[in-house]
Amino acid sequence: DAKTTQPTSMDCAEGRAANLPCNHSTISGNEYVYWYRQIHSQGPQYIIHGLKNNETNEMASLIITEDRKSSTLILPHATLRDTAVYYCIGGSTLGRLYFGRGTQLTVWP
Amino acid sequence: EAQVTQNPRYLITVTGKKLTVTCSQNMNHEYMSWYRQDPGLGLRQIYYSMNVEVTDKGDVPEGYKVSRKEKRNFPLILESPSPNQTSLYFCASSFSSGTGATYEQYFGPGTRLTVT
Repeated sequence: DAKTTQPTSMDCAEGRAANLPCNHSTISGNEYVYWYRQIHSQGPQYIIHGLKNNETNEMASLIITEDRKSSTLILPHATLRDTAVYYCIGGSTLGRLYFGRGTQLTVWP
Repeated sequence: EAQVTQNPRYLITVTGKKLTVTCSQNMNHEYMSWYRQDPGLGLRQIYYSMNVEVTDKGDVPEGYKVSRKEKRNFPLILESPSPNQTSLYFCASSFSSGTGATYEQYFGPGTRLTVT
């Protein structure tokens, strides 16, 4: 399972795009990158995952570099309800997700 | 509504008094697991289950037991709780890929346990 590095905190103005970076330089070729978020002390919520190609769903977009050493989660129009801790997870073993410290995203009005 | 439920949501107990935290999901998921979350340590997996009657240890199984007699339920048992098990506990479920959970795991709302 790849170790990931994320900034401790980020700010974003409401309505603007939030771009959350993640480094996962040790990720292996068949390991997916997952993003989850946790609002306050609620249960983590799945956002998106990807392997090589960029991915988009109703919540966010995931941009993975060609060398797969880093990725960026994009929330296109951040709202106050997007304030949360965002976790980038590189790979999983038997479904085990290794949550690091994540990035605290604060969206300001 | 698809969901994972946990009970109780909050519990204060004393050292040594056996307790069970229940977890139930209504999505017919094969894979279920328990995590604990502690400040500075993130979420760590305690036990997981690939299907009925199939369970295995996660990263921090000491002091915990689980059972999976029905597909929808995965209770967490603390036979003799100790203060170092004071934590926030989450149950999660997903479909199984055959070798583990699929990408999207659904988490319950959490159980905050305090052991005095």
